[in-house]
Amino acid sequence: QQQVKQSPQSLIVQKGGISIINCAYENTAFDYFPWYQQFPGKGPALLIAIRPDVSEKKEGRFTISFNKSAKQFSLHIMDSQPGDSATYFCAASRPRGGSNYKLTFGKGTLLTVNP
Amino acid sequence: NAGVTQTPKFQVLKTGQSMTLQCAQDMNHEYMSWYRQDPGMGLRLIHYSVGAGITDQGEVPNGYNVSRSTTEDFPLRLLSAAPSQTSVYFCASRRAGGQPQHFGDGTRLSIL
Repeated sequence: QQQVKQSPQSLIVQKGGISIINCAYENTAFDYFPWYQQFPGKGPALLIAIRPDVSEKKEGRFTISFNKSAKQFSLHIMDSQPGDSATYFCAASRPRGGSNYKLTFGKGTLLTVNP
Repeated sequence: NAGVTQTPKFQVLKTGQSMTLQCAQDMNHEYMSWYRQDPGMGLRLIHYSVGAGITDQGEVPNGYNVSRSTTEDFPLRLLSAAPSQTSVYFCASRRAGGQPQHFGDGTRLSIL
């Protein structure tokens, strides 16, 4: 059972455009939703994260939108740049006090931003 | 401050061989994890540890062993390598009760 579903698998955007990656989750116990960015040959690195008590979080050109009732969250990259070309993973984890405080990852989206 | 260091970066094995992937962190993080990354599969948790002497299985533990004798080190052992274990392996660490996870740069393992 895939607990975090991510789409699309790949995305091509022109420089200056908006990149949108979507994720849906099933487990309502999840309460932390990070996005990781991975460049070729490197490990994933935390990009931005949100908790379900807010509907949106913005850090520079990166914004997470969160819809608790629909169990969906998305990453928006404004003014996309070629340097944003990478693989993006959404993830979710259960409350920190629980025994299952582990990240469950989506399958990833390969973003290519053309100059 | 090196963060999470994985060695080796690349390795080729023959079916049936054993080997140990090394992971060390210098951030005094309590939690450490091993993931494997395969095309189109995302990151899948193999084993994790919440402190020295404590380990537990993740989503795909078969064929792998771990131990945690110190806070800093969390090696992953392949007992008898199989072609299905060809993958990129990532080690990660984080502090207890907090995020984010810090990942190493991975070990690319090919099994012939």
